[in-house]
Amino acid sequence: GENVEQHPSTLSVQEGDSAVIKCTYSDSASNYFPWYKQELGKRPQLIIDIRSNVGEKKDQRIAVTLNKTAKHFSLHITETQPEDSAVYFCALLNYGGSQGNLIFGKGTKLSVKP
Amino acid sequence: EPEVTQTPSHQVTQMGQEVILRCVPISNHLYFYWYRQILGQKVEFLVSFYNNEISEKSEIFDDQFSVERPDGSNFTLKIRSTKLEDSAMYFCASSPGQAYGYTFGSGTRLTVV
Repeated sequence: GENVEQHPSTLSVQEGDSAVIKCTYSDSASNYFPWYKQELGKRPQLIIDIRSNVGEKKDQRIAVTLNKTAKHFSLHITETQPEDSAVYFCALLNYGGSQGNLIFGKGTKLSVKP
Repeated sequence: EPEVTQTPSHQVTQMGQEVILRCVPISNHLYFYWYRQILGQKVEFLVSFYNNEISEKSEIFDDQFSVERPDGSNFTLKIRSTKLEDSAMYFCASSPGQAYGYTFGSGTRLTVV
């Protein structure tokens, strides 16, 4: 089945710096790529998503880029703040069957040091 | 903002017992899912449900598992004869359609002892 590779597994940055998380995939049929933030003990929450007909999307300090040719997509967080500390999961829509379902990467634990 | 609600928040059960995890998806959503997350690991797909039937299921979702939508609002996951390795956080999610972000519930932490 489809697999999505996520790197790095842990990322530590100073407050105010940028953070970049990258995911790669193999199935070219994937056309929807969301990113989720999960704080300790809480549910994954959608923070941004991108569809395959665009290459970049931005929402305040968060942006996502998609390179369909190279089959990778990245999350960029600028001006990081301590409250950005969480585990971030990339995901993609896997059309293994008729409906499709989200397949998640293994997550990146982001720590923002004040 | 509409939410997906899950009950119970925490369930402790003896190995071999059956458990039912309950979810109320967002009312106008059409697609429903169960995922599980073993502590410290990634979110794993179990099953998707649409139009009152299973659309897809993963290798994890074997005969031990079943899902049901007994009425117009609830969506349940039943685990028969629980095993120690079933201990995990189970998340229900719903979405209004394909290629839309899922809204996750707050999860049920299942502990099998």
